[in-house]
Amino acid sequence: GNSVTQMEGPVTLSEEAFLTINCTYTATGYPSLFWYVQYPGEGLQLLLKATKADDKGSNKGFEATYRKETTSFHLEKGSVQVSDSAVYFCALINQAGTALIFGKGTTLSVSS
Amino acid sequence: KAGVTQTPRYLIKTRGQQVTLSCSPISGHRSVSWYQQTPGQGLQFLFEYFSETQRNKGNFPGRFSGRQFSNSRSEMNVSTLELGDSALYLCASSLGDDVAWFFGPGTRLTVL
Repeated sequence: GNSVTQMEGPVTLSEEAFLTINCTYTATGYPSLFWYVQYPGEGLQLLLKATKADDKGSNKGFEATYRKETTSFHLEKGSVQVSDSAVYFCALINQAGTALIFGKGTTLSVSS
Repeated sequence: KAGVTQTPRYLIKTRGQQVTLSCSPISGHRSVSWYQQTPGQGLQFLFEYFSETQRNKGNFPGRFSGRQFSNSRSEMNVSTLELGDSALYLCASSLGDDVAWFFGPGTRLTVL
């Protein structure tokens, strides 16, 4: 079945450091892939998406490239800010487009 | 355009009671889905509706049910509450022909 595996956290970085959060998936076919972010006490916000192989999703300085060869969708940011502290979820959508399958989430903590 | 709204934001119930949660999707969105978020199990899909029809259901007991109205608003009901039902319940909406899902702030349910 479909599944998403992302690196365990927490990830602790200093401001302006480079961020990578690894995400790999198992799925039938080539599902659309997503990164969501959850700030404390809030719901999930769609950060970026990629709908086909080699697509690069980007938003607010974050990027992720859909790699079908390695079944990966790693999240990167060149210079993190304190305001990026949150929980990040990698997800894929099922073939029917009706359900998201999430990874366990990675907590990012950025200090100044 | 207003985002997904959920009411109430917080609920406290006791074991054995039932509860109804409400979700209003983004205007124009015809699909609504529900997720349960707990520290132990993470984000788990409950069910999805499109034009008042349930198209998909996750692996939850029959105590969990939902419905969608003609204006796309949705409700979910949990009967005979158990302590393990304590969770953040998230609603998401989508246009129905797009893979992007947008989440509400959630309803925090505490079962005592």
